[in-house]
Amino acid sequence: EAGVAQSPRYKIIEKRQSVAFWCNPISGHATLYWYQQILGQGPKLLIQFQNNGVVDDSQLPKDRFSAERLKGVDSTLKIQPAKLEDSAVYLCASSLDKLTSSSYNSPLHFGNGTRLTVT
Amino acid sequence: GQQLNQSPQSMFIQEGEDVSMNCTSSSIFNTWLWYKQDPGEGPVLLIALYKAGELTSNGRLTAQFGITRKDSFLNISASIPSDVGIYFCAGRPLIKFYFGSGTKLNVKP
Repeated sequence: EAGVAQSPRYKIIEKRQSVAFWCNPISGHATLYWYQQILGQGPKLLIQFQNNGVVDDSQLPKDRFSAERLKGVDSTLKIQPAKLEDSAVYLCASSLDKLTSSSYNSPLHFGNGTRLTVT
Repeated sequence: GQQLNQSPQSMFIQEGEDVSMNCTSSSIFNTWLWYKQDPGEGPVLLIALYKAGELTSNGRLTAQFGITRKDSFLNISASIPSDVGIYFCAGRPLIKFYFGSGTKLNVKP
């Protein structure tokens, strides 16, 4: 099966500019996640979607970050305006988990990420 | 928020040696996952655990879901140079996954 697709792989922007990342999850995966991974740290969840609805966005800096998954398949993550501290790898992941299930037992599958450098 | 403590932070071992690393959480988890991440790549799933006490192997890798449901262990036997990378644990109490800070493994040929 095809894995999680992300683009672009790399992006360099100046602070205060805007940037957008795209993700296409594994076919049939209901849940989609965006993680931020700062160098030397583990991934940190930014937002979690179940189909086209938001399950958790408690760690998303909503004054500058936004994300959507309008048709419940692919998703975009946007940063506007970018700050220096946004330099990180942005990872997209997907899983089969469905909120209608009584248990959540599907692992996350990650894409290769987008490495963002803000100068 | 949820705390996941992963140790050790880094390891330097000789090829052929066995490796152990672990993660502990501040609350009970219902799922533990172990990933390996190579430079410039996304994390790749190694082993998934769903029941307390579960012991699962994937080649030379073996992972266990602790019986207290607050910890998990990953062992690598007879390490080889391609085992080099960063290993992450991830776990969740219900819906949201939390990640450890990683164990960086270095293997000397």
